[in-house]
Amino acid sequence: GNSVTQMEGPVTLSEEAFLTINCTYTATGYPSLFWYVQYPGEGLQLLLKATKADDKGSNKGFEATYRKETTSFHLEKGSVQVSDSAVYFCALRRQGNRDDKIIFGKGTRLHILP
Amino acid sequence: AAGVIQSPRHLIKEKRETATLKCYPIPRHDTVYWYQQGPGQDPQFLISFYEKMQSDKGSIPDRFSAQQFSDYHSELNMSSLELGDSALYFCASSLVGRGGETQYFGPGTRLLVL
Repeated sequence: GNSVTQMEGPVTLSEEAFLTINCTYTATGYPSLFWYVQYPGEGLQLLLKATKADDKGSNKGFEATYRKETTSFHLEKGSVQVSDSAVYFCALRRQGNRDDKIIFGKGTRLHILP
Repeated sequence: AAGVIQSPRHLIKEKRETATLKCYPIPRHDTVYWYQQGPGQDPQFLISFYEKMQSDKGSIPDRFSAQQFSDYHSELNMSSLELGDSALYFCASSLVGRGGETQYFGPGTRLLVL
């Protein structure tokens, strides 16, 4: 079946450090891939997405590239800030059915120290 | 821009009681999804509606039911509440009919069953 595996947290970094959160997926066909972020006490916000191989999604300094050959969608940011502290969810949705559900990874909690 | 609205934001119920959660999608969005996020867990898909018809069903207990109304808002009805139903319930919406696939999430309703 379709699934998402992401690195376990918590991940603790100092401000201005480089961030990578690994995400790999298993899916039939070519899913759409997403990163959602959940700030403390808040709902889910779409951070970025990619819908086909080699697409790069980017937003707020975060980037992720859809790698079909490695079935990966790793999240990166060059210089993190304290305000980036949150839980990050990698997710997929099957292509072909636009109203299909989203399947989430377990989430990675990120702590940024000043 | 208008976002997904959920009400109430917080709800406390006793075991065996009934709860109704409401979701108002982004204007003109035709599809609504419900997800349940247990403490420290990833969101799990419950059910979705497209143009007022149920389009997909996930791990939704038989004690729960939902519908989408003519104005596209949706309600999730939960009966015989159990302690394990305590969770954050998200509603998301998308515009499937116009080719949109991105699901936009509301802030969630936090349900506590005592």
